[in-house]
Amino acid sequence: GQNIDQPTEMTATEGAIVQINCTYQTSGFNGLFWYQQHAGEAPTFLSYNVLDGLEEKGRFSSFLSRSKGYSYLLLKELQMKDSASYLCAVRPSGAGSYQLTFGKGTKLSVIP
Amino acid sequence: AAGVIQSPRHLIKEKRETATLKCYPIPRHDTVYWYQQGPGQDPQFLISFYEKMQSDKGSIPDRFSAQQFSDYHSELNMSSLELGDSALYFCASSLGRANEQFFGPGTRLTVL
Repeated sequence: GQNIDQPTEMTATEGAIVQINCTYQTSGFNGLFWYQQHAGEAPTFLSYNVLDGLEEKGRFSSFLSRSKGYSYLLLKELQMKDSASYLCAVRPSGAGSYQLTFGKGTKLSVIP
Repeated sequence: AAGVIQSPRHLIKEKRETATLKCYPIPRHDTVYWYQQGPGQDPQFLISFYEKMQSDKGSIPDRFSAQQFSDYHSELNMSSLELGDSALYFCASSLGRANEQFFGPGTRLTVL
């Protein structure tokens, strides 16, 4: 089965840095994705990790450790518009397994 | 840049009625995925198509069916609608099955 855990809610201050953690236990692994989702809107792709290490993309960075089943999303220089849910999603391995299994999401509130 | 198009954006149906949701992937994308997201829930994978053939099947009820057409657009057909089918239905597309998925704006289905 698939089990993906992330904190339910987090609060951070505008201009600060926040780290959102995700741990997973899945039947195989073929990549981890982070999506941002504002309420009632579509998830927006942020990052993709398939190998261990850090991927940096502007104010967003994502880290993966496959041996620990662990990833984090780092958001720097927080802006009010970063208030949203952040979804960690894992793609299992195996023939024909390309769908994403999502975690419950972390609702981030950015305060002034 | 062109995005995934879904229609209709909102749909209201009564119990036991049928509904058809349409998805037009990003041009050149050959893979389409359908997800269902209930209120406060994470997206749940329903079904996917690659090159007009069913690729993966998730938690799609037997009352639902889907297909991908020769122009790569996809339709999700839902019959004998139940109150619990009320949700946001997202379509996502990717270029090849291994690449990141880009989500459409979703269809909000309300079953009364």
